[in-house]
Amino acid sequence: QKEVEQNSGPLSVPEGAIASLNCTYSDRGSQSFFWYRQYSGKSPELIMFIYSNGDKEDGRFTAQLNKASQYVSLLIRDSQPSDSATYLCALGGVASYDKVIFGPGTSLSVIP
Amino acid sequence: SAVISQKPSRDICQRGTSLTIQCQVDSQVTMMFWYRQQPGQSLTLIATANQGSEATYESGFVIDKFPISRPNLTFSTLTVSNMSPEDSSIYLCSVESTDTQYFGPGTRLTVL
Repeated sequence: QKEVEQNSGPLSVPEGAIASLNCTYSDRGSQSFFWYRQYSGKSPELIMFIYSNGDKEDGRFTAQLNKASQYVSLLIRDSQPSDSATYLCALGGVASYDKVIFGPGTSLSVIP
Repeated sequence: SAVISQKPSRDICQRGTSLTIQCQVDSQVTMMFWYRQQPGQSLTLIATANQGSEATYESGFVIDKFPISRPNLTFSTLTVSNMSPEDSSIYLCSVESTDTQYFGPGTRLTVL
């Protein structure tokens, strides 16, 4: 049974700071890792995916994956109030048809 | 990416009745997924629907309660049967495209 754990938060950071969101997982066979952002009352939207160990950067977002330690993180630089949302960590298997399992989410609040 | 629409966007239903939720995708996809998100919770996978075969249900979900149809590669329905207040939730349709899952806008269901 795959398990995904995240700190539920809320995580509060001042505007302009770096927000760090962490996720650990139990299944060493997981091959694909995703970060979704979900605004209140909206459906999740994909912001990052990562498959290989190391860092992947996209604008203000950096995903970090360490398969040996079974954790994946998301850094948000220059945090903005519009980044305030729940961030969901998710992981998939080897094949594209493997189901994706979601973590409980971390609530982020960026304080102006 | 894939563009997904769901109908209805929300509904209020009486206990003991059934509601069918429709999901339409703008492109042909092999896998379609149905999730439930209860208030304040993360996403829980209900079932995976492949065209031409019976849906595969996750532990805790059964076909009699959540029958699913998948008549073609762009459409699926989820029925919530014999509803109780515990079924009040957001129901999300999702598809896999380019190794990533994308979500529809969700159906917010309230059962009185």
